[in-house]
Amino acid sequence: EDQVTQSPEALRLQEGESSSLNCSYTVSGLRGLFWYRQDPGKGPEFLFTLYSAGEEKEKERLKATLTKKESFLHITAPKPEDSATYLCAVYNYGQNFVFGPGTRLSVLP
Amino acid sequence: DSGVTQTPKHLITATGQRVTLRCSPRSGDLSVYWYQQSLDQGLQFLIQYYNGEERAKGNILERFSAQQFPDLHSELNLSSLELGDSALYFCASSAPPGTSYGYTFGSGTRLTVV
Repeated sequence: EDQVTQSPEALRLQEGESSSLNCSYTVSGLRGLFWYRQDPGKGPEFLFTLYSAGEEKEKERLKATLTKKESFLHITAPKPEDSATYLCAVYNYGQNFVFGPGTRLSVLP
Repeated sequence: DSGVTQTPKHLITATGQRVTLRCSPRSGDLSVYWYQQSLDQGLQFLIQYYNGEERAKGNILERFSAQQFPDLHSELNLSSLELGDSALYFCASSAPPGTSYGYTFGSGTRLTVV
C-alpha cells in the first residue's frame, strides 16, 4: 500500500530562519510527487511537481528536491506569510493521489 | 479563484439528516475527486469520477454516494449523518493524466453536524 509520511508535524520558525520539511514515501510506481500549500479553512494550492530523483524546483523562497525515497521542501529566509500547512502527495500508476498528513509551519515576526 | 466551485461553503445540519454537496470542476477538466478533511486527519480520498463514470473509490462510507453529471458537475450525497461526519469536504479536478499541475482544489464545504 502506498504511504506518505511528513515530518515534523509542526514547525515554528523565526522570520529569516531557514529550515526544511521532509516527505517520505513508499509507492509502487511513482508518476510524480506534488507539494501543496494549504491555508486554514481553504483548499490546497499547488506548488510543485517533481518527477524523478535529483530533480529540483524553485519558487520564491521555496525549493523542492526529490530522491528515490523522500522529498524535501527547503524554506529560505521565511516570512510570516509563509505560515501554512504544507502537504506532500504522490501520484501513482493507479492514477491515484496519496496525501501525507502535512507539516504545519508557523513563521513568527 | 481556482476555477473549481463548491457550494455551499458552510452547512449545519442535525444528526440523521441528509445533505448534498455540489462541485463544478475547472473548465475542460474531466476528472472530479472528493476528499474529506477532519481536524485530526489529513486529506482522505473518498471517490473519483472521470467523464461521468466512477473511476476509483477510497475510504467512502456506504452512507455516502456521489455522481457526476453530463455537464461534468458532481454531487456528493451524505446521509444518516453522524457527529463524526463533521469535516471539510473538498472537491478537486484535474485534466487527463500526465499534466504537471496535479489537482486544482475548490475552497471546500464545511459541514457541521449537531
